[in-house]
Amino acid sequence: GAGVSQTPSNKVTEKGKYVELRCDPISGHTALYWYRQSLGQGPEFLIYFQGTGAADDSGLPNDRFFAVRPEGSVSTLKIQRTERGDSAVYLCASSLQSSGANVLTFGAGSRLTVL
Amino acid sequence: AQRVTQPEKLLSVFKGAPVELKCNYSYSGSPELFWYVQYSRQRLQLLLRHISRESIKGFTADLNKGETSFHLKKPFAQEEDSAMYYCALGMDSNYQLIWGAGTKLIIKP
Repeated sequence: GAGVSQTPSNKVTEKGKYVELRCDPISGHTALYWYRQSLGQGPEFLIYFQGTGAADDSGLPNDRFFAVRPEGSVSTLKIQRTERGDSAVYLCASSLQSSGANVLTFGAGSRLTVL
Repeated sequence: AQRVTQPEKLLSVFKGAPVELKCNYSYSGSPELFWYVQYSRQRLQLLLRHISRESIKGFTADLNKGETSFHLKKPFAQEEDSAMYYCALGMDSNYQLIWGAGTKLIIKP
């Protein structure tokens, strides 16, 4: 696609529910990242994929958070038993390895609100 | 611990005036520094990175390892520069970026 696509753009859920957030990166970008941005703060790293494997998941806050990228393209961030503190904008980004690992192209984000 | 500090949450200057957005970092290794920008209702996007040594939209930033700073500068601000600016730190052998909290830049007409 032309850019990084994230769905849904907005998700409102109740505490304790399960949510999935989807990211479709730029075609050909092998690296995919998830970041979380809370109000008034910069993005916070969650997880990085190189191809299908999670090369670095050290930013996932706890075992309620999980992400997959089964075919090396689309990724899904999964949050179990959501808590009010999970409310944030979840950003996905992708990059071309040749342009440098940290030259990121971001999606528009998925705003998650946990009531 | 690695950290990026942007001391100003909000910076407001008149059109045509010089702009300096401050960024300081804490990292003992070899840093890679970036400025990302988010215009109103748009996505976060790369503005510039220190290894490119480019000027983008009139902005420049020089990495000062002695002062551990990477301040963003523009000599004459334009109204279209109004946006949220984030400084980010990349660390060697690591694909994480550490981000500052951002500075909202408002250019007054």
